Amino acid sequence: AQSVTQLGSHVSVSEGALVLLRCNYSSSVPPYLFWYVQYPNQGLQLLLKYTTGATLVKGINGFEAEFKKSETSFHLTKPSAHMSDAAEYFCAVSEGQGGSEKLVFGKGTKLTVNP
Amino acid sequence: KAGVTQTPRYLIKTRGQQVTLSCSPISGHRSVSWYQQTPGQGLQFLFEYFSETQRNKGNFPGRFSGRQFSNSRSEMNVSTLELGDSALYLCASSLTPPTGGYTFGSGTRLTVV
Repeated sequence: AQSVTQLGSHVSVSEGALVLLRCNYSSSVPPYLFWYVQYPNQGLQLLLKYTTGATLVKGINGFEAEFKKSETSFHLTKPSAHMSDAAEYFCAVSEGQGGSEKLVFGKGTKLTVNP
Repeated sequence: KAGVTQTPRYLIKTRGQQVTLSCSPISGHRSVSWYQQTPGQGLQFLFEYFSETQRNKGNFPGRFSGRQFSNSRSEMNVSTLELGDSALYLCASSLTPPTGGYTFGSGTRLTVV
């Protein structure tokens, strides 16, 4: 079974600073990788995804992530944090083949943005 | 286009009761998955339906069940509710394979008292 590890359950940055949220996965086959964001009392919103092709993936709200197969990593970055980025972020890998997949999530990283 | 719709948003039930949650996927998405989110266990996969068939099931007791209708709408049912079933239940729809990602609804917050 696949697993996802998010390093740091809480990350705090200043407004305007670099955001770096770490994600490592275990997978024996090329995975589909996702980052989701969750605001309080909301569902999950897709930030970006990697399926195939370019390993640097750009998403919404200025976020991007790079798939590094050799490091089994998919870290999320944003050059300049905004107050509205405060939320919980989940990294996920799609497990399964043959048309039946499920998402395996990391435990999440809560991002705080300080003024 | 309309997103994934989950009803109701909030539910309070008593131990021992049963509950049914509903999910309407994005038009054209035939795969519907359900996840349970709790502070302690995080996000856990419950089951996935495609064309009215359950294709995948997570590690949950048989009290948790679901179904999918011909219009791809899905319901999940929890019988004999326990306090530990209190959680946010999220539904996600996708194409298959999920190259476009999964789209989640806002969830149903279930509280068991």
